[in-house]
Amino acid sequence: EDQVTQSPEALRLQEGESSSLNCSYTVSGLRGLFWYRQDPGKGPEFLFTLYSAGEEKEKERLKATLTKKESFLHITAPKPEDSATYLCAVPSGSARQLTFGSGTQLTVLP
Amino acid sequence: DTAVSQTPKYLVTQMGNDKSIKCEQNLGHDTMYWYKQDSKKFLKIMFSYNNKELIINETVPNRFSPKSPDKAHLNLHINSLELGDSAVYFCASSRTGGTLYEQYFGPGTRLTVT
Repeated sequence: EDQVTQSPEALRLQEGESSSLNCSYTVSGLRGLFWYRQDPGKGPEFLFTLYSAGEEKEKERLKATLTKKESFLHITAPKPEDSATYLCAVPSGSARQLTFGSGTQLTVLP
Repeated sequence: DTAVSQTPKYLVTQMGNDKSIKCEQNLGHDTMYWYKQDSKKFLKIMFSYNNKELIINETVPNRFSPKSPDKAHLNLHINSLELGDSAVYFCASSRTGGTLYEQYFGPGTRLTVT
């Protein structure tokens, strides 16, 4: 069975303090990996798709990387508005169904 | 111009009742999904559906059924509601094809069964 594990569960940072979130996965044949952001009371918002090991994507202060076993979401000089839960997901079974990790709740303090 | 919308936003009902949640997408996507997010915020796929194929997660009780009147809508019907059905339900949509396409999510429906 495909599994996705995210760490840490929660992360508190001071504004400007860079860090990384981890997403490790066990799947039978990786077809790609998604990162989403979820704010309280809202649906997940798409951030990145990574298709193969070695790929990197950037968006503002966020940078996602992918290896054969895990993905990292690097946050550079975060701001309070970056506070949210960050979810990673991989396609499993049917390519249209996603298996999500439990998320990392990021809090950035001013 | 909301991409994926759901109604209602909140739904409070009693055990044993039957209820529906509506979902509409205006992205022109041909595949839609329903996910359940439990109290621990874990997001789990329930169904994926396009006009050719319905894929049901094996853990979903048959009290839950998706109904699609057209490509832009996928409604979720729940019969004989139970306390354990309380959760947030998200609808999502995506394109379908050889490439892996991202899914876009609605705002969620918080279902509370009393």
